Amino acid sequence: GQNIDQPTEMTATEGAIVQINCTYQTSGFNGLFWYQQHAGEAPTFLSYNVLDGLEEKGRFSSFLSRSKGYSYLLLKELQMKDSASYLCAVDSRNAGNMLTFGGGTRLMVKP
Amino acid sequence: DTGVSQDPRHKITKRGQNVTFRCDPISEHNRLYWYRQTLGQGPEFLTYFQNEAQLEKSRLLSDRFSAERPKGSFSTLEIQRTEQGDSAMYLCASSSTTRDTGELFFGEGSRLTVL
Repeated sequence: GQNIDQPTEMTATEGAIVQINCTYQTSGFNGLFWYQQHAGEAPTFLSYNVLDGLEEKGRFSSFLSRSKGYSYLLLKELQMKDSASYLCAVDSRNAGNMLTFGGGTRLMVKP
Repeated sequence: DTGVSQDPRHKITKRGQNVTFRCDPISEHNRLYWYRQTLGQGPEFLTYFQNEAQLEKSRLLSDRFSAERPKGSFSTLEIQRTEQGDSAMYLCASSSTTRDTGELFFGEGSRLTVL
């Protein structure tokens, strides 16, 4: 089966750094995605990891450890607009990019 | 092209009625996906197409759910004899097999409320 776990909610302060963890147990692995979803809006792509290590993109970085089934999304210099849900998703099939999503982490950024 | 579009954005229906949602993917994308999302949860995969072929439909929630993509462009998702438990956001996404990451581009969704 597929199991993807991430915290339900997190709160952080504007200007700070926050790390959102994701652990997964899937029958296969072809890559891990992070998406951002503001309330009432479509999920938007943030990052993709297929190899172990850290991928940095501006204020956002994503880390993957395939041996541990673990990833995290790191958000630096938090801004109020970063308040959103962050979705971890695993592509566990050989074809089709059929992503299996975690429940999402709702991040609230406070002044 | 402005992205994935879905219609209608909101649908309120009575239990037992049939509803149909339409999705127009990004024009050069050959893969199209349907997901369902309930409040506070992540999207749940339903089905996907590559061009006009439906390559995975075992995750459709029941035989009341069906999807088509007749010409490999737009797609429709139909729910027959709706039930209150069908109330959710139905998200469509598309992707291209030529992109390295295969990232999915999502539409804004069609919100269904079954009374």
